[in-house]
Amino acid sequence: DVKVTQSSRYLVKRTGEKVFLECVQDMDHENMFWYRQDPGLGLRLIYFSYDVKMKEKGDIPEGYSVSREKKERFSLILESASTNQTSMYLCASSPPDSYNSPLHFGNGTRLTVT
Amino acid sequence: GESVGLHLPTLSVQEGDNSIINCAYSNSASDYFIWYKQESGKGPQFIIDIRSNMDKRQGQRVTVLLNKTVKHLSLQIAATQPGDSAVYFCAENIGRNAGNMLTFGGGTRLMVKP
Repeated sequence: DVKVTQSSRYLVKRTGEKVFLECVQDMDHENMFWYRQDPGLGLRLIYFSYDVKMKEKGDIPEGYSVSREKKERFSLILESASTNQTSMYLCASSPPDSYNSPLHFGNGTRLTVT
Repeated sequence: GESVGLHLPTLSVQEGDNSIINCAYSNSASDYFIWYKQESGKGPQFIIDIRSNMDKRQGQRVTVLLNKTVKHLSLQIAATQPGDSAVYFCAENIGRNAGNMLTFGGGTRLMVKP
């Protein structure tokens, strides 16, 4: 089975801190994604990457950046955390060269910014 | 902008009954749809998918129906069990920029009464 692992289940950070959310997948997937999940809004795409060192903006990239130095690892970075970034963050990956295939999700990181 | 949405935020059913969860989409260019199940404390899990060249697909106890005329997607769960209690999301792929970029609805919570 595909395993997508997010390094932290819960994080509490202060406003203005730099925050790193880490995600690792073990199935050699080329595509990786970061979503945030808020009640009633579903999942919204922040950034995605379809190859090492490649990144593309999703629907809500403002306030975030990403890093993909290795194929298995995709990091989400909050340069200066703000309270409106308090949310559940979900990482996902999908198989290579697959246009229509489901995403495999990690269990999420719940970030609270105070 | 165009988006995926849901009619009912909460659905309560009796154990053993059939459940129907609905989803409306507005992008006629969408060609792939997925249903995910998210249990408390976990990431979304793939349930079933359907391509736009089909109108029905069946899995184990689940059926997805696609009505392209009215842009409507539904998930039917037969003989609903307590383990089916979760939040269900529909998602569509409109093929932006790269494959597997999914747009998610807001979710429906399914509660199964014993």
